[in-house]
Amino acid sequence: DTEVTQTPKHLVMGMTNKKSLKCEQHMGHRAMYWYKQKAKKPPELMFVYSYEKLSINESVPSRFSPECPNSSLLNLHLHALQPEDSALYLCASSRVIKSTVALSGANVLTFGAGSRLTVL
Amino acid sequence: DQQVKQNSPSLSVQEGRISILNCDYTNSMFDYFLWYKKYPAEGPTFLISISSIKDKNEDGRFTVFLNKSAKHLSLHIVPSQPGDSAVYFCAASASRGAGNMLTFGGGTRLMVKP
Repeated sequence: DTEVTQTPKHLVMGMTNKKSLKCEQHMGHRAMYWYKQKAKKPPELMFVYSYEKLSINESVPSRFSPECPNSSLLNLHLHALQPEDSALYLCASSRVIKSTVALSGANVLTFGAGSRLTVL
Repeated sequence: DQQVKQNSPSLSVQEGRISILNCDYTNSMFDYFLWYKKYPAEGPTFLISISSIKDKNEDGRFTVFLNKSAKHLSLHIVPSQPGDSAVYFCAASASRGAGNMLTFGGGTRLMVKP
């Protein structure tokens, strides 16, 4: 299994709703990532988990709350979002968060298809 | 300040010809570079990578060239096929940094015409 699976594919929510995005991988990867991508822009890093611990939070507002319940799952809990938070949310994983062997392939991120979020 | 730049937002090429996508970077700490391909409604798919200890890496129809002194890399696709039509993102990371955090360029939309 060489896939990262994200659900739901599409989500429409109001500003007072609470929802969650889910990500799953069974490649044995120990690093997992959330990226946000707006239209015609590159993906921007939000969070990084390494061995189920939050390693990096790129100054993301607290209305986004990540959770890594185990090595295969990554969630992004959403609450009180704003319309400008509408975007494609991409989950990714890699073997490890950091590899000193540049050609080992451990640095390659595998992305899911994304969850397209619309906040009304 | 964009550390990874793809100055051509789009590129149109005839089927069978060569496609050349360019990428420039400013951070001298970057030592690992990747190209990702993205179709609409899908996540980015890894295509090819190159370490800063090399100046060329080839995989089938895809070749990436790295010019460290110019802080420039390019992706060559030859021959181009209509199925190559997608958005291509250049990405970079620094092994001495926190890890595999990729910094992406803005993307180049490649259109290969039959």
